[in-house]
Amino acid sequence: QLVLTQSPSASASLGASVKLTCTLSSGHSSFAIAWHQQQPEKGPRYLMKLYSDGSHTKGDGIPDRFSGSSSGAERYLTISSLQSEDEADYYCQTWGTGILVFGGGTKLTVL
Amino acid sequence: EVHLVESGGGLVKPGGSLRLSCSASGFTFSSFSINWVRQAPGEGLEWVSSINSDINDIYYADSVKGRFTISRDNGKNSMSLQMNSLRAEDTAVYYCARVHTVGAALGAFDLWGQGTMVTVSS
Repeated sequence: QLVLTQSPSASASLGASVKLTCTLSSGHSSFAIAWHQQQPEKGPRYLMKLYSDGSHTKGDGIPDRFSGSSSGAERYLTISSLQSEDEADYYCQTWGTGILVFGGGTKLTVL
Repeated sequence: EVHLVESGGGLVKPGGSLRLSCSASGFTFSSFSINWVRQAPGEGLEWVSSINSDINDIYYADSVKGRFTISRDNGKNSMSLQMNSLRAEDTAVYYCARVHTVGAALGAFDLWGQGTMVTVSS
C-alpha cells in the first residue's frame, strides 16, 4: 500500500534551517514525490518535484532557500534562512497507477 | 499568467447534488491532466479524482467512487466534478490542480486553484 508518513510538527528559529522528512512506504523507495506549502488560510503552493536520486525541479519563483534531497525511502525538504512567512503546513505527495496520496502534513512553526 | 479557478461550491443537504467547475487560463489546457483535491476543515489534503488530457484515463478515490463524476471540455478550457449523494464527510474546500508532466494522468501537482467550499449539512 502506497503511504507517505510525515511528522505532525516541527519548529525552528528565525534565520535558522530546518529539514522536514517524508517517508515512503515499504516497496516504494524509488518513487518521486512533490512538496507543497500551505500558508494559513491559503491554498497549497507547489514547491518542487523530488526524485529518488535527490534531483529536483522547483516551481516558478521558489527561493533558493528551499531545497530537496533523498536517501532511500526518505525525501527531505530543507528550508534555510527561515523567515516568518515560512510558517506553514508542508505536504508531500506521490502517485502510482490509479492512485495518488498525500502525507498527513507537517506544521512548521518559526520561533 | 497561468491560473486555475474553481467555482460552484455552496451549502447542500445530505443526499443532495452539486457541480463544481474549474476554469483554466494561461496554458494549453488540453495537454495536461487535471485533478480534484479536497481538504476538510482542520484536516490535511485528500486526493479525489483525476482526468487526463485525452479523457481516456479517469480515476477516483475509493471514498467518492460511484458518487462523483469528473469530466472536462478541452474546447472550453474547463473541467467539472459532479457530486451526487453528498454526505457530511464530503464537507471540504475543493481544489483543482494541474499535473506537472504532459500526458501523465497522475503526477506532481504544479499549479493549484484557490479552492471552493462545499458544505453538506441539513
